[in-house]
Amino acid sequence: AQSVTQLGSHVSVSEGALVLLRCNYSSSVPPYLFWYVQYPNQGLQLLLKYTSAATLVKGINGFEAEFKKSETSFHLTKPSAHMSDAAEYFCAVSEKTSYDKVIFGPGTSLSVIP
Amino acid sequence: DTGVSQNPRHKITKRGQNVTFRCDPISEHNRLYWYRQTLGQGPEFLTYFQNEAQLEKSRLLSDRFSAERPKGSFSTLEIQRTEQGDSAMYLCASSPGGLVTDTQYFGPGTRLTVL
Repeated sequence: AQSVTQLGSHVSVSEGALVLLRCNYSSSVPPYLFWYVQYPNQGLQLLLKYTSAATLVKGINGFEAEFKKSETSFHLTKPSAHMSDAAEYFCAVSEKTSYDKVIFGPGTSLSVIP
Repeated sequence: DTGVSQNPRHKITKRGQNVTFRCDPISEHNRLYWYRQTLGQGPEFLTYFQNEAQLEKSRLLSDRFSAERPKGSFSTLEIQRTEQGDSAMYLCASSPGGLVTDTQYFGPGTRLTVL
């Protein structure tokens, strides 16, 4: 069965500092992987997705993530945090054989300190 | 493209009552998904439709839950005999045609509180 773990339910970074949000997945078959962001009182928005093309995936708002099969990881990074990045971030996985069923992790709340 | 809309945005009900939520997907999106999100957790898949056909249902979708998409456009999610454990945010998403490269676009959700 698929699952996603996100290390750290809350992460705080200073404005301008590196953002690193960790995600590890478990899947019995090659996965598709996603990062979504949720701002307060808004719906989830896709940041980026990995669908077996390039392992380094670039997304919106300067975020990127690298798929590492050997580590079963898909960590999200951004070189320089901005105040507007404060939000809830969800890593998610789906299987190629059932890609409509997306399994989300518990989320990481990112705070950006001025 | 007006995005996915959900109504109502908030619903407070008493235990034992029935509630119905509506989701309007992005126009011409064939796939429609329902998720449930409880506080501090990520969304949990409930069910999805390809046009009017309901293709998969999660074990989370008990007999008290029913979802429909009668004309392949909007969808409704009904919860009968609500319980306090049903309190959650109910999210709807849609995607164009079911390709793996398609993105699921989420609505703002309906927050249900069962007293």
